[in-house]
Amino acid sequence: NAGVMQNPRHLVRRRGQEARLRCSPMKGHSHVYWYRQLPEEGLKFMVYLQKENIIDESGMPKERFSAEFPKEGPSILRIQQVVRGDSAAYFCASSPPAGGPWYEQFFGPGTRLTVL
Amino acid sequence: EDKVVQSPLSLVVHEGDTVTLNCSYEVTNFRSLLWYKQEKKAPTFLFMLTSSGIEKKSGRLSSILDKKELSSILNITATQTGDSAIYLCAVVLSSDMRFGAGTRLTVKP
Repeated sequence: NAGVMQNPRHLVRRRGQEARLRCSPMKGHSHVYWYRQLPEEGLKFMVYLQKENIIDESGMPKERFSAEFPKEGPSILRIQQVVRGDSAAYFCASSPPAGGPWYEQFFGPGTRLTVL
Repeated sequence: EDKVVQSPLSLVVHEGDTVTLNCSYEVTNFRSLLWYKQEKKAPTFLFMLTSSGIEKKSGRLSSILDKKELSSILNITATQTGDSAIYLCAVVLSSDMRFGAGTRLTVKP
């Protein structure tokens, strides 16, 4: 059973370009969470999704950021018109429906975004 | 391949007990080790450890890093039911971060 997969692992974009980060949850998991890693600290929650639904996006910036988890395919975190401040590691986690949301999350390896 | 292993995977104790959770790692370019408490919301940051042998303390929780043994422990004294959670260990690398699978702690009244 493969773990949570994220791609690409490293992404370089110039200011103003779009960044698309993908997350494939573990098999059987229907909940996906996106986090941003803050320097020297840890994880900042961004958004929680189930298939075709955004459940909680309280941590998501109001502009330029969006997320989706379609019926088929991976979850996508999309950042439009990237700025240097968007440079960070973005982590995705998934959890099974039986465990309930938030609780038992399994983390992917992350995507490191660098904005030039 | 970089890996982080936590033990035990689950633990059941009674209120007032003291618990010790373990995190061991085999990684390249180690920078720091983080402990989180994961409940019904996003993980809550507990400690960041970068230097070996220096204990960090917050109330009933404490943690220490042993770079020689490539491991860290998280201690919780006088446990309470509110300590029930998954405790997650993560290792920060030079350009990456690796998570352990977590230890599920259940504290019974």
